[in-house]
Amino acid sequence: DAKTTQPNSMESNEEEPVHLPCNHSTISGTDYIHWYRQLPSQGPEYVIHGLTSNVNNRMASLAIAEDRKSSTLILHRATLRDAAVYYCILRDDGGGADGLTFGKGTHLIIQP
Amino acid sequence: DADVTQTPRNRITKTGKRIMLECSQTKGHDRMYWYRQDPGLGLRLIYYSFDVKDINKGEISDGYSVSRQAQAKFSLSLESAIPNQTALYFCATSDITSGELFFGEGSRLTVL
Repeated sequence: DAKTTQPNSMESNEEEPVHLPCNHSTISGTDYIHWYRQLPSQGPEYVIHGLTSNVNNRMASLAIAEDRKSSTLILHRATLRDAAVYYCILRDDGGGADGLTFGKGTHLIIQP
Repeated sequence: DADVTQTPRNRITKTGKRIMLECSQTKGHDRMYWYRQDPGLGLRLIYYSFDVKDINKGEISDGYSVSRQAQAKFSLSLESAIPNQTALYFCATSDITSGELFFGEGSRLTVL
């Protein structure tokens, strides 16, 4: 799996949008971009994934750069429950060929 | 009930003891994984299994073994536990179509 780079931590205020960046300059054409988050004392949970086009779901939006070398996870209106570690991961072909490789992620702090 | 269940949730043991962590799932997924998480670090893949007859080593398999007793059950064993195997262990399953991972709540192991 190709490598991703994320800031160690970010801080935001409750009810404001949050943009979590991820750089993946060595991404290949068949790599999907996956985002997971890990709430305190829990296992990671899936947030969103995409290949080329921007994606939206009930949890978040994923904005993918045109050259695919970076992406941004967008939480439209952060709540205290969104405080977690967010992992950006690349996965070849979008299938389940092997386990995803998790880096250290971004620790998101939400201020009330 | 959780889709991915890990037992025990917490275990304290002594150096040299044999330990087994068990994982069962009701997702009906063929693919199962064991990860290890150390404080402040991301998750590292220990072993993964595509089906009952297929077992693969991950990034950090030394000192660990696994058994896939059935589609729904995947166990991780430490034959002779050592203190640096103190960590939080996660089991996960994978949907073959989307590649999405579903994690258990984790098993915290302390080796004294």
